[in-house]
Amino acid sequence: GAGVSQSPRYKVAKRGQDVALRCDPISGHVSLFWYQQALGQGPEFLTYFQNEAQLDKSGLPSDRFFAERPEGSVSTLKIQRTQQEDSAVYLCASSLSNKSAFFGQGTRLTVV
Amino acid sequence: TQLLEQSPQFLSIQEGENLTVYCNSSSVFSSLQWYRQEPGEGPVLLVTVVTGGEVKKLKRLTFQFGDARKDSSLHITAAQTGDTGLYLCASSNFGNEKLTFGTGTRLTIIP
Repeated sequence: GAGVSQSPRYKVAKRGQDVALRCDPISGHVSLFWYQQALGQGPEFLTYFQNEAQLDKSGLPSDRFFAERPEGSVSTLKIQRTQQEDSAVYLCASSLSNKSAFFGQGTRLTVV
Repeated sequence: TQLLEQSPQFLSIQEGENLTVYCNSSSVFSSLQWYRQEPGEGPVLLVTVVTGGEVKKLKRLTFQFGDARKDSSLHITAAQTGDTGLYLCASSNFGNEKLTFGTGTRLTIIP
């Protein structure tokens, strides 16, 4: 596709449930980022991949959060045992190396 | 970690008026980007500034990067309802692609 695609757009999870969020970056983009955006706030960095290598995961809030990009293209952000404070919009962005990032529409996660 | 403060947090003005929003930090930026985000969408890049004192114009939008590269402003002339949105500044550290976002300015243009 022409842009970064994220699925699902909306996800409602019961507290304690595991969720998986998918990101399809722009074809050929080496860099992929995940951000978390709480309501009314700016996005906050979670993790960064260059191809299949996860170079920075310093923003992941706990060990319940896990991200992968096994073939250097599609990425999945997994959250285990979801809690209410995990409710947010999760944004994926991709870029050519050291170039501007393009964002997807995000996945809005609501934990009830 | 750099902290980016944006002001004002909320701004509501009449169509046709001019406005300026600000982005400030105590740290030096290697580069600074401005994004606009509409409800239900991801941020869309408006401009990147890299040189202290730089001024860039994008139609009715004028972006300025401070001489010391610690602050930036976005000026909109003759605001239109289509300018409504969340305006975010973001910076990256030298040699690091990850972005640190500001707190955002939520702009509403009243017809």
